[in-house]
Amino acid sequence: SQQGEEDPQALSIQEGENATMNCSYKTSINNLQWYRQNSGRGLVHLILIRSNEREKHSGRLRVTLDTSKKSSSLLITASRAADTASYFCATQAGGGNKLTFGTGTQLKVEL
Amino acid sequence: GAVVSQHPSRVICKSGTSVKIECRSLDFQATTMFWYRQFPKKSLMLMATSNEGSKATYEQGVEKDKFLINHASLTLSTLTVTSAHPEDSSFYICSARKDSLLGELFFGEGSRLTVL
Repeated sequence: SQQGEEDPQALSIQEGENATMNCSYKTSINNLQWYRQNSGRGLVHLILIRSNEREKHSGRLRVTLDTSKKSSSLLITASRAADTASYFCATQAGGGNKLTFGTGTQLKVEL
Repeated sequence: GAVVSQHPSRVICKSGTSVKIECRSLDFQATTMFWYRQFPKKSLMLMATSNEGSKATYEQGVEKDKFLINHASLTLSTLTVTSAHPEDSSFYICSARKDSLLGELFFGEGSRLTVL
């Protein structure tokens, strides 16, 4: 099964700064999704980008997808302390809705 | 919105006992639900795909007899960890696909299982 690799594994920034997380995957996909997880909680869907899309925005989030490089990035602009969480990319391929998750980036936004 | 409820959120049990975790889609029908396992500070590992009215599809390396999955209705899937051992201690998370919306999955809050 394909596995997304994310980097960095951990990221610590100051409030107001931008945070960029990267995700790489191995095989062709239908779409790539980003999720957020607060410690000990479930996952919250942030954004979905289809394989024929290159960039997508949602509020302070900007996601890019480069299918030739099999990579995606998530940019959070003007970060806030409340953005502190783990962020996972997940890919869907084939006909089902099975999601394969990346290794995750732990983001800490300090005041 | 789409809400998935998972219960219990925390459970402690003795070795050898069985534990059942429920996953309910509260405001939508879910033909397909997924069960994941997550180790501390690690990614989510898909255990199985739960299909309403039929047998679950297990991922390679996941013991079917150990992790029993039942999806008896369009809003409920259960995961039973049988004859639990300390190594089964983990965070189990379910997710559901809203049948009318492809792609996005909705996750429960997870269940923390501790086997003594």
